[in-house]
Amino acid sequence: AQSVTQPDIHITVSEGASLELRCNYSYGATPYLFWYVQSPGQGLQLLLKYFSGDTLVQGIKGFEAEFKRSQSSFNLRKPSVHWSDAAEYFCAVALWGGSEKLVFGKGTKLTVNP
Amino acid sequence: DTAVSQTPKYLVTQMGNDKSIKCEQNLGHDTMYWYKQDSKKFLKIMFSYNNKELIINETVPNRFSPKSPDKAHLNLHINSLELGDSAVYFCASSPRNGLAGGRFTDTQYFGPGTRLTVL
Repeated sequence: AQSVTQPDIHITVSEGASLELRCNYSYGATPYLFWYVQSPGQGLQLLLKYFSGDTLVQGIKGFEAEFKRSQSSFNLRKPSVHWSDAAEYFCAVALWGGSEKLVFGKGTKLTVNP
Repeated sequence: DTAVSQTPKYLVTQMGNDKSIKCEQNLGHDTMYWYKQDSKKFLKIMFSYNNKELIINETVPNRFSPKSPDKAHLNLHINSLELGDSAVYFCASSPRNGLAGGRFTDTQYFGPGTRLTVL
């Protein structure tokens, strides 16, 4: 079955440190991949998406993600984390079955230490 | 201006009651969705409507009934509320959903969520 796995439930980094959040997917066809961020008490905001083309995708807030088909991965990166990046991050894949729907991973909670 | 809005933001009610959550989008999108986020933050799609027509129904109990009076609104009515219904419910919308010939995917825009607590 199609699925999205985020292996890390919780990650803690120091402000200014680099960040990588992992995402692996299981999907037979060409995946359409997304990263969303959910700040405390807020809805979800799209950070970036990959449909095709360049496998390194730039998003908002200084985030980027790299699609690696051979590893079935779509990891999210940021070179220098800010305290305001503390949030829950969700990876998602769009599935096609006559209509689009998003299947989400279980999320990774990011804590940023001062 | 809020793109996707939901009311109420918080809803506390007793088991067995019937309640509704409203969602409105002012983006001119054709497709709207309801998602449920459980206590472990897991997000799962419940329903999707395209131009007032139900297109996704993810094995949700029939106590949940979505209603779309027009393409800018998708309301969620829940009958006979149970403790397990406690969750955060998110509405979302996207411009289109690929029904008109071929697959394409548009970004989904999410509302702020409605936290439902069933006592």
